[in-house]
Amino acid sequence: DQQVKQNSPSLSVQEGRISILNCDYTNSMFDYFLWYKKYPAEGPTFLISISSIKDKNEDGRFTVFLNKSAKHLSLHIVPSQPGDSAVYFCAATGDPLALNFGKGTSLLVTP
Amino acid sequence: DTEVTQTPKHLVMGMTNKKSLKCEQHMGHRAMYWYKQKAKKPPELMFVYSYEKLSINESVPSRFSPECPNSSLLNLHLHALQPEDSALYLCASSQGSGGTDTQYFGPGTRLTVL
Repeated sequence: DQQVKQNSPSLSVQEGRISILNCDYTNSMFDYFLWYKKYPAEGPTFLISISSIKDKNEDGRFTVFLNKSAKHLSLHIVPSQPGDSAVYFCAATGDPLALNFGKGTSLLVTP
Repeated sequence: DTEVTQTPKHLVMGMTNKKSLKCEQHMGHRAMYWYKQKAKKPPELMFVYSYEKLSINESVPSRFSPECPNSSLLNLHLHALQPEDSALYLCASSQGSGGTDTQYFGPGTRLTVL
């Protein structure tokens, strides 16, 4: 039972443009959401998070938006850079504590 | 400093071997985790240690045995594994065990069972 869904397995964006990665969740108990970036054969690297009491959190080129009524969050990367090419995992947690990951979206930023 | 270290980086073992994976963090975090990740799949939680006590066991087979010698160290003992256990094993830690504690991951151990 996949409680966190990333419906786009892959995304290709030109360098300098905006990358938008989407994530949906089904469990209304989730109250903390995170995005991780992962390169092959490496551990996920924490990027940015958002608590359910907020609808936006920004950190440099990365912004996460949360729409609680739609149970939807998105990660915006602007401007996109070739080094951003990786797999991005959306994750959610609440009670009980455990990270619930989506299946990931593979982002390719082309020069 | 958000570093979680894991050793070894790679491990190849036979089905009759006994080996251990090690994880260490010096961030003063009080919760540590083991995840298993197969190719093209998201990480799956195996164990959680919160304040040195096992708080969640996700019905992982008994051939995987976690051990938390102290709050900075987390081991995963492996015995009589099967080829399907080949995967990337990830350790993570977080400040506490609350729902808003960010988990930070180590680089992982790539395990191959022959």
